[in-house]
Amino acid sequence: GAGVSQSPRYKVAKRGQDVALRCDPISGHVSLFWYQQALGQGPEFLTYFQNEAQLDKSGLPSDRFFAERPEGSVSTLKIQRTQQEDSAVYLCASSLVLYEQYFGPGTRLTVT
Amino acid sequence: SQQGEEDPQALSIQEGENATMNCSYKTSINNLQWYRQNSGRGLVHLILIRSNEREKHSGRLRVTLDTSKKSSSLLITASRAADTASYFCATEGDFGNEKLTFGTGTRLTIIP
Repeated sequence: GAGVSQSPRYKVAKRGQDVALRCDPISGHVSLFWYQQALGQGPEFLTYFQNEAQLDKSGLPSDRFFAERPEGSVSTLKIQRTQQEDSAVYLCASSLVLYEQYFGPGTRLTVT
Repeated sequence: SQQGEEDPQALSIQEGENATMNCSYKTSINNLQWYRQNSGRGLVHLILIRSNEREKHSGRLRVTLDTSKKSSSLLITASRAADTASYFCATEGDFGNEKLTFGTGTRLTIIP
């Protein structure tokens, strides 16, 4: 079956622009996670949903970052007024509860 | 912030040799997982070891976990060129908190 998909794969934004990143999890997966990976580093947790409920958003770096999963399936990560330090790969993962996480290919965001 | 560190940061070996990577972490865990990341396939789950397990095997992979030392090792036997990638350990916290905390990664290069 299809894995986790993310779109767009690449995004270039001018500083100050808003961006929206989409994640389509594996069908039936209850849990959905967003991670941010800077160049040369491991992924860092941003936020976590179980179905439509956002259970943990402790990793969101500022109030410019917002995530939603309104119907418990597709999720969107929105970044307002992008800054250069937001440049990174944004990874989405989904899982059945308490099982391994399956990652999407990521969206590489470059803020110029 | 990263949970822990991996050692070495980079490793180059000849094809056919064994590769060992180590991971240290800081807090109590529910399980520890190893992931591989390369540009072609993104982040791929390799193996999961639970906190009450000490060793686990999967094909050419062998993982050990020492919770008293808060450390884990990943052994890849009979390495192949296709094993060239970055390898990350990731810990899942106490029950009910599924987010993964990744290490800094080991860059493995297999020389044909």
